[in-house]
Amino acid sequence: DQQVKQNSPSLSVQEGRISILNCDYTNSMFDYFLWYKKYPAEGPTFLISISSIKDKNEDGRFTVFLNKSAKHLSLHIVPSQPGDSAVYFCAASDMRVITQGGSEKLVFGKGTKLTVNP
Amino acid sequence: ETGVTQTPRHLVMGMTNKKSLKCEQHLGHNAMYWYKQSAKKPLELMFVYNFKEQTENNSVPSRFSPECPNSSHLFLHLHTLQPEDSALYLCASRPQGSYNSPLHFGNGTRLTVT
Repeated sequence: DQQVKQNSPSLSVQEGRISILNCDYTNSMFDYFLWYKKYPAEGPTFLISISSIKDKNEDGRFTVFLNKSAKHLSLHIVPSQPGDSAVYFCAASDMRVITQGGSEKLVFGKGTKLTVNP
Repeated sequence: ETGVTQTPRHLVMGMTNKKSLKCEQHLGHNAMYWYKQSAKKPLELMFVYNFKEQTENNSVPSRFSPECPNSSHLFLHLHTLQPEDSALYLCASRPQGSYNSPLHFGNGTRLTVT
């Protein structure tokens, strides 16, 4: 049972336009959400995160929106650049386990391959 | 330089071989992770170590044996693997007990089992 779902395996946009990547989750205990970006032959790199106490977090061209009632989050990239072409992974965790002395366990989606065309 | 270094980058091994994957982190973190990424599947958590102690084994077959001699080093010992174990193995680290600190990943070891 997949707890984090990225239903679009790929997305293609024109340079300068907005890229919107979507992610759905099923576990209502998740309270911390992240987006990672992965280039070929490299490991995932952290891009942006959001806590469940917020509904929006912005960092430069990247904005993450969280809709807790719909269990949905999205990543907006604007304007999109060719260098943004990569696979984007959505991830989620229940961070309260850390305050209880446990280990954080990130659950990942399958990823969406973004291609930004010049 | 990612701060998390994995060696080797590529490994081809037969089903009867024994090999080890190595991970080293230079970030001062004390929680280390092994993840597996197979084709068309999400990253799957395999093991978690906090302060050198294993705190999570996500039902991983015993042909995968982790070792964490100190907070900076993590190994994954492999023996009698199957072709379906071919995947990208990713090591990651984070500060244990630090809320809202993301995982830092290495570049992975691409394993092919023949």
